Amino acid sequence: NAGVTQTPKFQVLKTGQSMTLQCAQDMNHEYMSWYRQDPGMGLRLIHYSVGAGITDQGEVPNGYNVSRSTTEDFPLRLLSAAPSQTSVYFCASRTGIKNTEAFFGQGTRLTVV
Amino acid sequence: GQQVMQIPQYQHVQEGEDFTTYCNSSTTLSNIQWYKQRPGGHPVFLIQLVKSGEVKKQKRLTFQFGEAKKNSSLHITATQTTDVGTYFCAGITSGTYKYIFGTGTRLKVLA
Repeated sequence: NAGVTQTPKFQVLKTGQSMTLQCAQDMNHEYMSWYRQDPGMGLRLIHYSVGAGITDQGEVPNGYNVSRSTTEDFPLRLLSAAPSQTSVYFCASRTGIKNTEAFFGQGTRLTVV
Repeated sequence: GQQVMQIPQYQHVQEGEDFTTYCNSSTTLSNIQWYKQRPGGHPVFLIQLVKSGEVKKQKRLTFQFGEAKKNSSLHITATQTTDVGTYFCAGITSGTYKYIFGTGTRLKVLA
């Protein structure tokens, strides 16, 4: 099993550019989420989804969009990249909402110049 | 909104010394989970606690969930170089679907 797959692993963007970070899981998990990791701030929840067609905002949603058209995929879109969005992004999936462990992808290191 | 803080932010220990990280939530949690992230890696699930006052052990690691379900701790006995990494707690508040992670404690073990 591949688990949770994120692409790309590294990306450099210019300010104002848009892009999509891809996340796919092959475990038939209902719950998927995106986090960003910055030094000293831990992992902050951007958006999450409790199932196909359902998404909601996390702690830091501004500047990001998501969609969940299938159970497997949960892409994260940066609409107009800003230097403040330089971070490491992790996608995670869980079997369900309560009392289930998170499986993380390998991460995407994004630099906005 | 819900906030989860961890202390200390960094900890350097000599190999063989004990280590403890504390996790404090601004809201009552339905559960608490702990994750370990090795340098350059992704977070990996260690354990989950659900009941008030619960204590669980995994070899040299001891996890506690506070009576009020607002705090937790991870204690490592006799650290080894393989314990190096960042430890995160994470929890969910009843009635929400948001898993909020703590700020993390970065552990370095000096041989």
